[in-house]
Amino acid sequence: AQTVTQSQPEMSVQEAETVTLSCTYDTSENNYYLFWYKQPPSRQMILVIRQEAYKQQNATENRFSVNFQKAAKSFSLKISDSQLGDTAMYFCAFMKHNAGNNRKLIWGLGTSLAVNP
Amino acid sequence: EPEVTQTPSHQVTQMGQEVILRCVPISNHLYFYWYRQILGQKVEFLVSFYNNEISEKSEIFDDQFSVERPDGSNFTLKIRSTKLEDSAMYFCASSVSYEQYFGPGTRLTVT
Repeated sequence: AQTVTQSQPEMSVQEAETVTLSCTYDTSENNYYLFWYKQPPSRQMILVIRQEAYKQQNATENRFSVNFQKAAKSFSLKISDSQLGDTAMYFCAFMKHNAGNNRKLIWGLGTSLAVNP
Repeated sequence: EPEVTQTPSHQVTQMGQEVILRCVPISNHLYFYWYRQILGQKVEFLVSFYNNEISEKSEIFDDQFSVERPDGSNFTLKIRSTKLEDSAMYFCASSVSYEQYFGPGTRLTVT
């Protein structure tokens, strides 16, 4: 069974600085997807970034980038130039690639990020 | 930009009552999901739905739960006889392929 671990329950960063959130996972699958979702105080779950395991290049979306280390089963999220609106809970999630119609996400416990002015 | 919608935003019900949570997925999406998040705990998968049938369900999704796509737009989750431990945030999601897009959630409070 797959598991996702986020070892940092809470983090804080000063506005405009860079912060990295950690995620590790355990799987015997070779092909899979990894995601970071953001959940602000409104509780809406927002997709931040995705990574396909077969791609060696790390995904980037504007100020958000990942460091994907397949051998180490590590998938960290880097937020550059942090903004107050980045304050949220961040969840790492895993999905098998050859899942057929069974595309469930397996979630970590989340990291609460506070961006301080 | 198309989005997933959910109603109601907050539902309060008494233990033993039936509740129906409603979702309108993004219109061209084919896969539909329900997840729940008990306060302070991790997000848990409940059920996935494709081609008008359940494709996978978790051990949480017992006989008290059911899902339906009664027409071309709505996707509902029914809990027949609610328990106190069903109190949670319930999220609907939909996808075309592997990126799932979530609704704003329904907060269910069972008293």
